[in-house]
Amino acid sequence: AQKVTQAQTEISVVEKEDVTLDCVYETRDTTYYLFWYKQPPSGELVFLIRRNSFDEQNEISGRYSWNFQKSTSSFNFTITASQVVDSAVYFCALSEARRNNNDMRFGAGTRLTVKP
Amino acid sequence: GAGVSQSPSNKVTEKGKDVELRCDPISGHTALYWYRQSLGQGLEFLIYFQGNSAPDKSGLPSDRFSAERTGGSVSTLTIQRTQQEDSAVYLCASSLGMGNQPQHFGDGTRLSIL
Repeated sequence: AQKVTQAQTEISVVEKEDVTLDCVYETRDTTYYLFWYKQPPSGELVFLIRRNSFDEQNEISGRYSWNFQKSTSSFNFTITASQVVDSAVYFCALSEARRNNNDMRFGAGTRLTVKP
Repeated sequence: GAGVSQSPSNKVTEKGKDVELRCDPISGHTALYWYRQSLGQGLEFLIYFQGNSAPDKSGLPSDRFSAERTGGSVSTLTIQRTQQEDSAVYLCASSLGMGNQPQHFGDGTRLSIL
């Protein structure tokens, strides 16, 4: 069964620090998709990134970067020079391609607090 | 707007009552999902609709929960004989329907059972 583990329940940093949010997944599929979502205090989940299992290139988008390593089944998310507006709950999610139902399994989330 | 719309945004009801939660997905999105998020917790998958296929109800926690999607668009999640443990935020999401497509979420309905 597919499973996503976000071991860090809460992280607190001071503004301008770098922070890495860990995500470890389990799947028997060779084709799957990984996602990160942000849930700010307002509550609405916002899609950040999608990776497919065949593309292990790391990605950078502004202050955000993602490190996908199939060898360790991890898809970690790093925020550099964190800002107060980055405070949110971040969810990692996995979707297996072989499943007809396409349900996405989410991790429990990591609550990030960035203090000024 | 063009996003996923959920109503009501908040619902307070007495234990034992039935409630209906509504989701209006993004136009053109064939897939629709319902999740439950209890306070401080992650997202719990409830049910998934894809086009005209039979829905995947594997996440529904009990037979008190049911959902419909009429005309391939609007969906209603119904909880019968509500219990206090049903209190949570119920989130709806829609997508273009393939596993590699990101889901777009509504603001959710905060359900409180007294």
